[in-house]
Amino acid sequence: DAGVIQSPRHEVTEMGQEVTLRCKPISGHDYLFWYRQTMMRGLELLIYFNNNVPIDDSGMPEDRFSAKMPNASFSTLKIQPSEPRDSAVYFCASSSAGAYDEQFFGPGTRLTVL
Amino acid sequence: AQSVAQPEDQVNVAEGNPLTVKCTYSVSGNPYLFWYVQYPNRGLQFLLKYITGDNLVKGSYGFEAEFNKSQTSFHLKKPSALVSDSALYFCAVRDRNDYKLSFGAGTTVTVRA
Repeated sequence: DAGVIQSPRHEVTEMGQEVTLRCKPISGHDYLFWYRQTMMRGLELLIYFNNNVPIDDSGMPEDRFSAKMPNASFSTLKIQPSEPRDSAVYFCASSSAGAYDEQFFGPGTRLTVL
Repeated sequence: AQSVAQPEDQVNVAEGNPLTVKCTYSVSGNPYLFWYVQYPNRGLQFLLKYITGDNLVKGSYGFEAEFNKSQTSFHLKKPSALVSDSALYFCAVRDRNDYKLSFGAGTTVTVRA
């Protein structure tokens, strides 16, 4: 298995631009998680899906952030408009429906908003 | 609410010496506990987990962790550290009824040759 795939690996954009991050979970996994990692705030859960349905989006910072999962093999995290404080590493993770199963993380997308 | 505390920002040890990374947790019900490791510019990698049963859990790369319910701790240990163990380590907890993981702030481990 290729593991969790994220694209792009690096993104540099200017303030006000729309940014779309992409994730392909491990095949057969039912849960998908989006995290953000910064030096100041550590690792934060933004949103997670179960069977393509958003379950908890309480970690999404504000309305500029949105996430979708149109099918079991693809999810996007969109920021519109982007701001410099959104600069961070964004991770996608997936896990299976087993109650004990650990989450498998992708390599992350390093976002820099100028 | 659930939370994790990793009281040490950094741990420095000499190669061949024992390594311990501390973690305490708070959760309303029975905890599921995890340790992850992150190497520079990489995603988090799973090391081990405690769900139930034996309090001593063995994981990848020679790591183990001991669950202590009375002290609400889940310290990560390795009997003999390697330079290649230098990385950022995260402890995480979730309640049995919730799939959300709460992570600690992380502990940077440096193993000197």
